Amino acid sequence: NAGVTQTPKFQVLKTGQSMTLQCAQDMNHEYMSWYRQDPGMGLRLIHYSVGAGITDQGEVPNGYNVSRSTTEDFPLRLLSAAPSQTSVYFCASRSTPSGQGAYEQYFGPGTRLTVT
Amino acid sequence: AQSVTQLGSHVSVSEGALVLLRCNYSSSVPPYLFWYVQYPNQGLQLLLKYTSAATLVKGINGFEAEFKKSETSFHLTKPSAHMSDAAEYFCAVIQNRDDKIIFGKGTRLHILP
Repeated sequence: NAGVTQTPKFQVLKTGQSMTLQCAQDMNHEYMSWYRQDPGMGLRLIHYSVGAGITDQGEVPNGYNVSRSTTEDFPLRLLSAAPSQTSVYFCASRSTPSGQGAYEQYFGPGTRLTVT
Repeated sequence: AQSVTQLGSHVSVSEGALVLLRCNYSSSVPPYLFWYVQYPNQGLQLLLKYTSAATLVKGINGFEAEFKKSETSFHLTKPSAHMSDAAEYFCAVIQNRDDKIIFGKGTRLHILP
């Protein structure tokens, strides 16, 4: 049971380049989310999904796209990277709202992205 | 809309002293509340959660938190700080099953020898 995995761990992009941050979970969780973490800003929600085929925007969705074709995977795409997207990105998945583990969210180790 | 406010972006305590990290929430209905810890260069780890059962919740590493509806607070405490407690702590709230989990801005805890 690997939990939530993210790749890559580090990435440097030039302005205007595109890339996809990968996220996968093996806990059969319905809910998955992407957050960005910036100093003094806490974690801000970018996009989230309540199940395969369903996605929605969070607080800071501009410049990012997501899709959820399977329960396991939730990739985050940067279409045209900007320096303002320099951040640490965390993927998370959440257990169903019942039982002892209700609402517990599990985080991946993060991807540190620098856009120059 | 639901939100959480963490008072103090940095808190310093001496080793062995009481740890108190403050969190206030705003929610129109009884929420579910969480505390997470983040050690340097790592992801977030759940410390404890409140889901409308007991108002005093015990978590890992000796931490506990008390839900006080009258004060809309969910402060995190630990009787005796240890050097290994140095980390960033996040309070979070969710209102119902389909809602997003919203995080506070975090409090960095420093432990003084």
